[in-house]
Amino acid sequence: GENVEQHPSTLSVQEGDSAVIKCTYSDSASNYFPWYKQELGKGPQLIIDIRSNVGEKKDQRIAVTLNKTAKHFSLHITETQPEDSAVYFCAASKGNTPLVFGKGTRLSVIA
Amino acid sequence: KAGVTQTPRYLIKTRGQQVTLSCSPISGHRSVSWYQQTPGQGLQFLFEYFSETQRNKGNFPGRFSGRQFSNSRSEMNVSTLELGDSALYLCASSLVLAGAQETQYFGPGTRLLVL
Repeated sequence: GENVEQHPSTLSVQEGDSAVIKCTYSDSASNYFPWYKQELGKGPQLIIDIRSNVGEKKDQRIAVTLNKTAKHFSLHITETQPEDSAVYFCAASKGNTPLVFGKGTRLSVIA
Repeated sequence: KAGVTQTPRYLIKTRGQQVTLSCSPISGHRSVSWYQQTPGQGLQFLFEYFSETQRNKGNFPGRFSGRQFSNSRSEMNVSTLELGDSALYLCASSLVLAGAQETQYFGPGTRLLVL
């Protein structure tokens, strides 16, 4: 089955700097890659997603890139702010199969 | 539009007991998935229901079960609780889009502590 690895597990950046989180997946048939943000005491919230027919997608300060050949995708957050501090999860799936999640990255933005 | 709601939010049980958790999906969403979240294992898929039928099932023992009602609300049940069942149980709902991956929206979770 699908296996998703996520790095780094923790990340600290200065406010205003960029943050990059990387994920690799094992199943070349996977075609949907969402990113979730989870704040303390809350459920994961979808922040951006990308499908395999697209190489890059951007939404304001957040962007995701997908390299199907290398089977990896990355989340880029620019101009980080303290409210970006949270745990971020990547996931992958194909068709209507369940999402397989990475183990998460705890991002700390230091003011 | 109201989001996914889960009840109760917190629960304390003792080993051997059973527990039932409830999830109300976003209005119009027909698919409900359940996940277990622990610090060691992360987010793990339990099962998914659509139109009152279990569509997918994760690798959990038979003590974990679920069901979905005609109004798409879902419940999950864990029998004979073990200490290792302590976790945050998350419910996610989605529309069913033919031929495309469904975006899932999560509820706040039910935190279960087994003593």
